[in-house]
Amino acid sequence: GAVVSQHPSRVICKSGTSVKIECRSLDFQATTMFWYRQFPKQSLMLMATSNEGSKATYEQGVEKDKFLINHASLTLSTLTVTSAHPEDSSFYICSARNLGTAYNEQFFGPGTRLTVL
Amino acid sequence: AQRVTQPEKLLSVFKGAPVELKCNYSYSGSPELFWYVQYSRQRLQLLLRHISRESIKGFTADLNKGETSFHLKKPFAQEEDSAMYYCALIGSSNTGKLIFGQGTTLQVKP
Repeated sequence: GAVVSQHPSRVICKSGTSVKIECRSLDFQATTMFWYRQFPKQSLMLMATSNEGSKATYEQGVEKDKFLINHASLTLSTLTVTSAHPEDSSFYICSARNLGTAYNEQFFGPGTRLTVL
Repeated sequence: AQRVTQPEKLLSVFKGAPVELKCNYSYSGSPELFWYVQYSRQRLQLLLRHISRESIKGFTADLNKGETSFHLKKPFAQEEDSAMYYCALIGSSNTGKLIFGQGTTLQVKP
């Protein structure tokens, strides 16, 4: 089956530093990946759509200069949280769209727990 | 506006009882609807989609366009069904953006 990995699985950083999270599709190519944020016991909030070879599309209210997205290859998208603050602490989840499946199914990564001190 | 509503945060039933997880949506066109499940400490995974009209792990869901609902049902709940369930829609097939409901925690007691 299609597998999506995220690295790191958890990260703790100091306020003001930047953190990079990687999302990889391991056995398929993904021209489109998505980044979500999930608060404890709450739903997934779509942050942005990552498009290979072009700029990401951000959802309303998401600061593109704060959450930098780079989709440099067909198997890798990165999310960089710049100048992180405690309010950025959250669970970040990516998904990758597999156009090789019957319904262009999305496969989700395991998530990255970010804690900003 | 595109919106998915799951009115129940928690649904608690006994093993063997029927289960219905409610989902209502708001979308002006013809959406694609999905149910995703997240077991404890596992990643989100697709349970079923309305377009394929399948039954997975005994769960079914029927799209009711008149009531704009896509409720998830299972006649006899099992303890291993305990998980977080999310209803979601894709409004535009070109973008593939999933809009999720708030999620319902299903707790199946022995």
